[in-house]
Amino acid sequence: GAVVSQHPSRVICKSGTSVKIECRSLDFQATTMFWYRQFPKQSLMLMATSNEGSKATYEQGVEKDKFLINHASLTLSTLTVTSAHPEDSSFYICSASTGQSNYGYTFGSGTRLTVV
Amino acid sequence: AQKITQTQPGMFVQEKEAVTLDCTYDTSDPSYGLFWYKQPSSGEMIFLIYQGSYDQQNATEGRYSLNFQKARKSANLVISASQLGDSAMYFCAMRELSTGFQKLVFGTGTRLLVSP
Repeated sequence: GAVVSQHPSRVICKSGTSVKIECRSLDFQATTMFWYRQFPKQSLMLMATSNEGSKATYEQGVEKDKFLINHASLTLSTLTVTSAHPEDSSFYICSASTGQSNYGYTFGSGTRLTVV
Repeated sequence: AQKITQTQPGMFVQEKEAVTLDCTYDTSDPSYGLFWYKQPSSGEMIFLIYQGSYDQQNATEGRYSLNFQKARKSANLVISASQLGDSAMYFCAMRELSTGFQKLVFGTGTRLLVSP
């Protein structure tokens, strides 16, 4: 149980366009989702925490207008990278708080974004 | 201040040998949880083991054990009988429980290479 499905796994987009990444909890209700960014060979950096039905809480230094997070339902959270630039190219991964196995966290499989 | 410190950027071990990956942490919260995750090249985060700050015994999960030294604020991961499939990035992470925030803070990771 406690599976988070993240799509797409890979996406290439042109500079200036927007890209939406979805994380869906398949067999549980995720009241809280976390969005991380990971540069090559670096650690996971928390971007924001989203709670269902309320505005996301962004970490210091993360542009909330650039990285739009929506958590409209208990099973779906989305991250939209707006007006993407090459420096936004990264690995994005979501995590849901489950209150179940893995001591409360399940991760999506990640999305590798390349902006050309 | 760095909350999670992993001082070994890379580690090498021969197959069937044991290896210890270091992790130290910094918190003033008396209630916290420590996690270890494995990240293969595909990118997904695989939960390995968890240690609660009040747990009396060191956590063990199969070939993984956590050497928890609370006074030293260290939570080293021990992998016994290394296998080629253990080659991956390993991240130590912490959650501070008293604050009510659920976010995980990750260390910088250790790349483990298991050789035949």
